[in-house]
Amino acid sequence: KQEVTQIPAALSVPEGENLVLNCSFTDSAIYNLQWFRQDPGKGLTSLLLIQSSQREQTSGRLNASLDKSSGRSTLYIAASQPGDSATYLCAVRPRGSGGSNYKLTFGKGTLLTVNP
Amino acid sequence: DGGITQSPKYLFRKEGQNVTLSCEQNLNHDAMYWYRQDPGQGLRLIYYSQIVNDFQKGDIAEGYSVSREKKESFPLTVTSAQKNPTAFYLCASTEQGPGLGNTIYFGEGSWLTVV
Repeated sequence: KQEVTQIPAALSVPEGENLVLNCSFTDSAIYNLQWFRQDPGKGLTSLLLIQSSQREQTSGRLNASLDKSSGRSTLYIAASQPGDSATYLCAVRPRGSGGSNYKLTFGKGTLLTVNP
Repeated sequence: DGGITQSPKYLFRKEGQNVTLSCEQNLNHDAMYWYRQDPGQGLRLIYYSQIVNDFQKGDIAEGYSVSREKKESFPLTVTSAQKNPTAFYLCASTEQGPGLGNTIYFGEGSWLTVV
């Protein structure tokens, strides 16, 4: 059974700092890995999606990497801002058949606070 | 604008009642999903539907039911059999496609509280 772990559970940094959030998964048979942002009481917003054949994706100040063989992904946030404060979740889509590949597995998230 | 609309945002249920959460999408996506999120927990899949008139149980389907009569709609009923329904419920959708590499989009969620 796929398990997704996010470390740390919470992180507090001063504004302007570069930071890395970690996501690990136990089964490397995946189609893709996706990073999301969730603000309190809101739905999830997709940030980056990395296909299993890719090593990284970039969007603005965000860079996500994927090392499928070691079961790890990182989300790098450059020059953090108070507006980046939110919970960041990762999710993997498994390879499989019979509908099993529709069942994403989510981590519990990292709560990021960026202090002015 | 294209997106997923969930309603109501807040819902209170009395013991023994069934309640229905609405989810509508105008993204023309084939696949739709219902997740439950509890504090400090990851999202858990309740039901998913790959196509109209078809749906499958997720990891925690007991006490829930769904229907998929239209492509754009995927309502979730929380029945009285669900013993601990207080949670945040999220609806999502994706395109069908080779490799299932498509981004998953979420609605804004519905809070359900048992009173």
